[in-house]
Amino acid sequence: NAGVTQTPKFQVLKTGQSMTLQCAQDMNHNSMYWYRQDPGMGLRLIYYSASEGTTDKGEVPNGYNVSRLNKREFSLRLESAAPSQTSVYFCASSAGTGFYGYTFGSGTRLTVV
Amino acid sequence: ILNVEQSPQSLHVQEGDSTNFTCSFPSSNFYALHWYRWETAKSPEALFVMTLNGDEKKKGRISATLNTKEGYSYLYIKGSQPEDSATYLCAPSTGTASKLTFGTGTRLQVTL
Repeated sequence: NAGVTQTPKFQVLKTGQSMTLQCAQDMNHNSMYWYRQDPGMGLRLIYYSASEGTTDKGEVPNGYNVSRLNKREFSLRLESAAPSQTSVYFCASSAGTGFYGYTFGSGTRLTVV
Repeated sequence: ILNVEQSPQSLHVQEGDSTNFTCSFPSSNFYALHWYRWETAKSPEALFVMTLNGDEKKKGRISATLNTKEGYSYLYIKGSQPEDSATYLCAPSTGTASKLTFGTGTRLQVTL
């Protein structure tokens, strides 16, 4: 019953460093998403993958890249971290279409100094 | 980007009070409306997915209604308990795309 697993849970980066946030789900879901959560802003979509082999930009994609490695895994990469990317990042998955609820991971708290 | 508004932003009630929140969203291209419950230091958890105008869903003391023609949904909590303290998010989706646009939420605090 792992659901959606995100790693790491916490990370501190220096400006300009790169890192990859990992996400894996074991529910055979088709769709996966990356959101960021900032105070007063709510959850904003960075990228999503409606199905294996496809990825699309969300509301705030600049500075990020994603890879849908297989049906289970969807990673988010920061190539050159900036302080504006300090946030809490959530991965989520769903069976697909808008009829199915999301299952969220536990989040990654990222600080860029 | 959809304009999703939730009100009030925060709410403080006593145990046993009943309360309700509002979610407003564009009525055009409506596909589904989701409600999530988000406790502090945890992840959001799905409460309801609603699709039809006039739809009503219930889970224990929590229920929700949907008006797709005017673009709003209400979430009701009957007899609030301290464990209901959380932020309640709504999120509409449009078309067949699975992505959701989340509101900023209503933060509910229930005290004894």
